[in-house]
Amino acid sequence: DTGVSQDPRHKITKRGQNVTFRCDPISEHNRLYWYRQTLGQGPEFLTYFQNEAQLEKSRLLSDRFSAERPKGSFSTLEIQRTEQGDSAMYLCASSFMNTEAFFGQGTRLTVV
Amino acid sequence: AQTVTQSQPEMSVQEAETVTLSCTYDTSESDYYLFWYKQPPSRQMILVIRQEAYKQQNATENRFSVNFQKAAKSFSLKISDSQLGDAAMYFCAYLNSGYSTLTFGKGTMLLVSP
Repeated sequence: DTGVSQDPRHKITKRGQNVTFRCDPISEHNRLYWYRQTLGQGPEFLTYFQNEAQLEKSRLLSDRFSAERPKGSFSTLEIQRTEQGDSAMYLCASSFMNTEAFFGQGTRLTVV
Repeated sequence: AQTVTQSQPEMSVQEAETVTLSCTYDTSESDYYLFWYKQPPSRQMILVIRQEAYKQQNATENRFSVNFQKAAKSFSLKISDSQLGDAAMYFCAYLNSGYSTLTFGKGTMLLVSP
């Protein structure tokens, strides 16, 4: 297992387009988290899954954002009708229950 | 809501010297965890050190140690014998034991010069 994997690493999209990111967690981890990190800020929590259940969503996660984790394995984060304010690094992390969270390298989104 | 404050946007240190990064947090909880994460440029965030609030003894991991002052809600990171590879953004993070999500500070950029 090579750790948490995110795809793509970079995404440039035009305002109004939809984008989807994928995260593959460490295989034995049952929890998966999405965070957003903007320039000069620490990561901010978006949502997390325990197995396939989405247990918590931040108020940052507007109606344009949706996340899934089918079968409790990989997860996708979709942003519909992207806005320039969505430009950020999207980080995925996984853990086994409340133990150490391991982070992926992130997907950098640029909305032009 | 919990908040984490890192008051030093940037710190500099020379190789082999010691540097301390500051972190304060605000919580009404008594049971929680504190972390320092390192994020090198364009690389993934990795855990440096972890402290359980119920433990009075400060955590240490090789050249990294913390000064945990629970009453003062302070959690500083000391890096001894600094190396060029220590250059990175360092984030302090808080986790309430009853929850599952980390609250991060804004980070401190550590610069290491030869």
